[in-house]
Amino acid sequence: DTAVSQTPKYLVTQMGNDKSIKCEQNLGHDTMYWYKQDSKKFLKIMFSYNNKELIINETVPNRFSPKSPDKAHLNLHINSLELGDSAVYFCASSQYTGTSGYEQYFGPGTRLTVT
Amino acid sequence: KNEVEQSPQNLTAQEGEFITINCSYSVGISALHWLQQHPGGGIVSLFMLSSGKKKHGRLIATINIQEKHSSLHITASHPRDSAVYICAVLYNTDKLIFGTGTRLQVFP
Repeated sequence: DTAVSQTPKYLVTQMGNDKSIKCEQNLGHDTMYWYKQDSKKFLKIMFSYNNKELIINETVPNRFSPKSPDKAHLNLHINSLELGDSAVYFCASSQYTGTSGYEQYFGPGTRLTVT
Repeated sequence: KNEVEQSPQNLTAQEGEFITINCSYSVGISALHWLQQHPGGGIVSLFMLSSGKKKHGRLIATINIQEKHSSLHITASHPRDSAVYICAVLYNTDKLIFGTGTRLQVFP
């Protein structure tokens, strides 16, 4: 049983299109995240949600809009895709404790290629 | 300058060698993660620690909070350990800041 799943695994699209990536976790965790891994393999946080509420929004263009319909799902919608959006996007979840936090569980990643 | 620095960036080893990867950070943290990313791309959390030392099989992770430094050791390395190892610090309890990763290749 996959703990954190993402769809699709690969996404190839043209500049200017709008696309969505979906993420689901079956761990019962309260907190979910979106990370971006660039071509140099550097990971950076984009957003985090705790119980459907936006907690972290890291200077990400407003073309990126996360949506959390319930605490098990965190989707990422991207408008007007640009070449620079090409990257691997990872979803993750953790149980938020308010103290030192718990380890994060990562999804398999979605490789987005914008042509 | 990145808030989390790892060394070395690349590491090659012969099977059986003892391996050490270092991580230094410049911010106050609540915990530190060691992650493993295989060539297929998936990321797995190896350890989360906020003090002392943790051991899991052939992997050992240590942290010195005063010196803002952590190490990941692999004993009796094996080709299947070949991966990118990423140090990430938990800042403000809910935000991970990542190092640039160490690419490890272990040859038979």
